[in-house]
Amino acid sequence: SYELTQPPSVSVSPGQTATITCSGDKLGTKNCCWYQQRPGQSPVLVIYKDNKRPSGIPERFSGSNSGNTATLTISGTQSFDEADYYCQAWDNSAAVFGGGTTLTVL
Amino acid sequence: QLQLQESGSGLVKPSQTLSVTCAVSGGSMSSGSYSWSWIRQPPGKGLEWIGYIYHTGNPYYNPSLRSRVTISVDTSKNQFSLKLSSVTAADTAVYFCANYDNKSGSFDLWGQGTMVTVSS
Repeated sequence: SYELTQPPSVSVSPGQTATITCSGDKLGTKNCCWYQQRPGQSPVLVIYKDNKRPSGIPERFSGSNSGNTATLTISGTQSFDEADYYCQAWDNSAAVFGGGTTLTVL
Repeated sequence: QLQLQESGSGLVKPSQTLSVTCAVSGGSMSSGSYSWSWIRQPPGKGLEWIGYIYHTGNPYYNPSLRSRVTISVDTSKNQFSLKLSSVTAADTAVYFCANYDNKSGSFDLWGQGTMVTVSS
């Protein structure tokens, strides 16, 4: 079965750029989404179709997807951005989520 | 504005069937661009897609759960449901319903989730 691999944790200083990766076989040929989940809350879509932002998501959030890796980039990271982030793609009509990355803003 | 709200059996005994329903409000389930999904999250763990269904009633399931899962839709009540049979402690999780938008190719709206515990 298809797998998406994320680093378990990423740390960043306030105001700096956070980069979260998601790896999967030929992931660049699929559309990738990213979800933010704060503790005790439901996931929220922050990036869809690799690099598009839903309305209401700050421009600080951006995405890319090429080769075997999709990347979520958060520029000017704020403490408010501390959360778990999950990538997601489709393979053979089945949705697959990455294991999630905990972003810590130190 | 579309909203989703889960409800269901909070405590289920092992080997029994888990049942959860998602009520859709603020819009119709019959939009052709939408499908309706179930996703779960065990305590302290990541997200797992369970399956989805179109308003026409065609379901698609995660192969790892297919033998135990049934997803159904009732457009007259604007709701869809999940049944998971032969549950074990490994099925203990928060169960989310979510709206999948075919245009965006993403789960763009989620319910608040409902915790289901499997225990005797």
